Amino acid sequence: EAAVTQSPRSKVAVTGGKVTLSCHQTNNHDYMYWYRQDTGHGLRLIHYSYVADSTEKGDIPDGYKASRPSQENFSLILELASLSQTAVYFCASSEGQAYAEQFFGPGTRLTVL
Amino acid sequence: SQWGEENLQALSIQEGEDVTMNCSYKTYTTVVHWYRQDSGRGPALIILIRSNEREKRSGRLRATLDTSSQSSSLSITAAQCEDTAVYFCATETGYQNFYFGKGTSLTVIP
Repeated sequence: EAAVTQSPRSKVAVTGGKVTLSCHQTNNHDYMYWYRQDTGHGLRLIHYSYVADSTEKGDIPDGYKASRPSQENFSLILELASLSQTAVYFCASSEGQAYAEQFFGPGTRLTVL
Repeated sequence: SQWGEENLQALSIQEGEDVTMNCSYKTYTTVVHWYRQDSGRGPALIILIRSNEREKRSGRLRATLDTSSQSSSLSITAAQCEDTAVYFCATETGYQNFYFGKGTSLTVIP
């Protein structure tokens, strides 16, 4: 079954530290996305990618970097984690066509202390 | 913001009742996606309605889209306990530009 997996599922980081969140998809999809979800809010797009070795900024890219080393893998990097980056992070993939469904991973709960 | 008055509401209903959730948006969209998110899991698409459709049905789900008023609704008929989840609408304003609303938290009480 096609799937999007994320690791770790939860993480506690210290302010100023580096955090890397990983995402792996077996859907053979070209598009991958990183979203953050804050309590009481919808999902907001951080970065996305439509091809390996290329990433694009979403709506809230500040403080985040992304890396797409292969079609299957997409990472989100927080070089200097801050308290305001405490949230749940979701990775998704899609075929990239109009009206295409996004398939989401289970999420990573990040707490920055 | 892409969004109007909707969003983050909490609804609690009895099993067997019907429920409707609404979403209004500000920018033109070609399609509205409705996702549900179960506790501790990622969102999953439940129904998608395109701008040339006024209504779409899937089992006990019914979605409507009114492009003139820039609003969409999701109705669940005869809600069951397993319908308890957070429901999001998402608009697709351009190629791969998705905007998710804050969602409606639905609790179905047995």
